[in-house]
Amino acid sequence: DTAVSQTPKYLVTQMGNDKSIKCEQNLGHDTMYWYKQDSKKFLKIMFSYNNKELIINETVPNRFSPKSPDKAHLNLHINSLELGDSAVYFCASSTGDTQYFGPGTRLTVL
Amino acid sequence: SQQGEEDPQALSIQEGENATMNCSYKTSINNLQWYRQNSGRGLVHLILIRSNEREKHSGRLRVTLDTSKKSSSLLITASRAADTASYFCATDARDSGAGSYQLTFGKGTKLSVIP
Repeated sequence: DTAVSQTPKYLVTQMGNDKSIKCEQNLGHDTMYWYKQDSKKFLKIMFSYNNKELIINETVPNRFSPKSPDKAHLNLHINSLELGDSAVYFCASSTGDTQYFGPGTRLTVL
Repeated sequence: SQQGEEDPQALSIQEGENATMNCSYKTSINNLQWYRQNSGRGLVHLILIRSNEREKHSGRLRVTLDTSKKSSSLLITASRAADTASYFCATDARDSGAGSYQLTFGKGTKLSVIP
């Protein structure tokens, strides 16, 4: 069974649209994360939630809004998409030092 | 800001050879981890070494840590074609509170193992 899952796997959309990416983990972890990986493979943390509370909020435009309905889910909503938002977005979860990553969502903004 | 820097950026070897990748970082750390990313996939944790450890083994993997030089190396022995992937080091410099561990990743080393 998939430990950390994301939907959709691919997302192609026009500039200015609003889109959401969903993440679910069945590992029972308390902490979940969103990362952005750019075209040069650089992976940067965006947000971290612990037991549905926002813990880490790096310098991310406020067009990005994470939402955690429960500790097994952390969704990412993006408003007014821009070309520079094109990247692969990874969800991860952890209960300690090690993080478990989802398969990623490749977002392409046209 | 970026914490880890892997070296080399790309490495191509023949199957059966050993592969060594290096990582340098800037600030004090609690631990350093190595992750693997196959093309089009998420990252997979390989091994963690704590700041008070100098060397650690896991199967064909050997990790060293030199905190005085702020560097780590990952050695993969007897490489296989299936080892072809990007390898990232990640440092855990602080606990952001409430059990959330902020990892800072390097840009990765792209390893190609030729059959």
